[in-house]
Amino acid sequence: IAGITQAPTSQILAAGRRMTLRCTQDMRHNAMYWYRQDLGLGLRLIHYSNTAGTTGKGEVPDGYSVSRANTDDFPLTLASAVPSQTSVYFCASSDRTSGSNEQFFGPGTRLTVL
Amino acid sequence: GQNIDQPTEMTATEGAIVQINCTYQTSGFNGLFWYQQHAGEAPTFLSYNVLDGLEEKGRFSSFLSRSKGYSYLLLKELQMKDSASYLCAVRDSNYQLIWGAGTKLIIKP
Repeated sequence: IAGITQAPTSQILAAGRRMTLRCTQDMRHNAMYWYRQDLGLGLRLIHYSNTAGTTGKGEVPDGYSVSRANTDDFPLTLASAVPSQTSVYFCASSDRTSGSNEQFFGPGTRLTVL
Repeated sequence: GQNIDQPTEMTATEGAIVQINCTYQTSGFNGLFWYQQHAGEAPTFLSYNVLDGLEEKGRFSSFLSRSKGYSYLLLKELQMKDSASYLCAVRDSNYQLIWGAGTKLIIKP
């Protein structure tokens, strides 16, 4: 693994189903983030984690949950998917001890909820 | 509320110079970022400004005026591969990034 990976690449899901999007990084970054990107809108933060064992809510957390059991993994779960959750989901990580703390992004998961 | 404004779309000619503006109103300021995003791909980091002035990095430069809530990204010697969306983001008082909707840059030969 080099950098940050996400799985699956894309998924079509029936409304009401449960879905977990996976995210793994090998850069030993302390912070991780989940965003959704919709046409015409900026990236919107769903949940974040500043360090393993802690999580926080972003701008649009409803319908989503996360966990951060270790440094490398940060899964995002949709408990009961709805069509409005159709979007491209990006996971990102950063080193909060660095000067700029820039975020590095995974390749994204394209999710369609029908 | 918090707001990041940037033009939706710009067109420029290969070999020319283009300036993409970004204005912001946020609760606190802890730095401004520019990212590049090619269609269907992830955003990639271009630049970071936390103090007023110009930061130059090869063909790309980024400027910040904190008093005016204003930044621009300057791209010189445009190449066809520069066709992409350019995202402006501000780190607010909660140390989270607030993102603009992005500027789609179209380069014509």
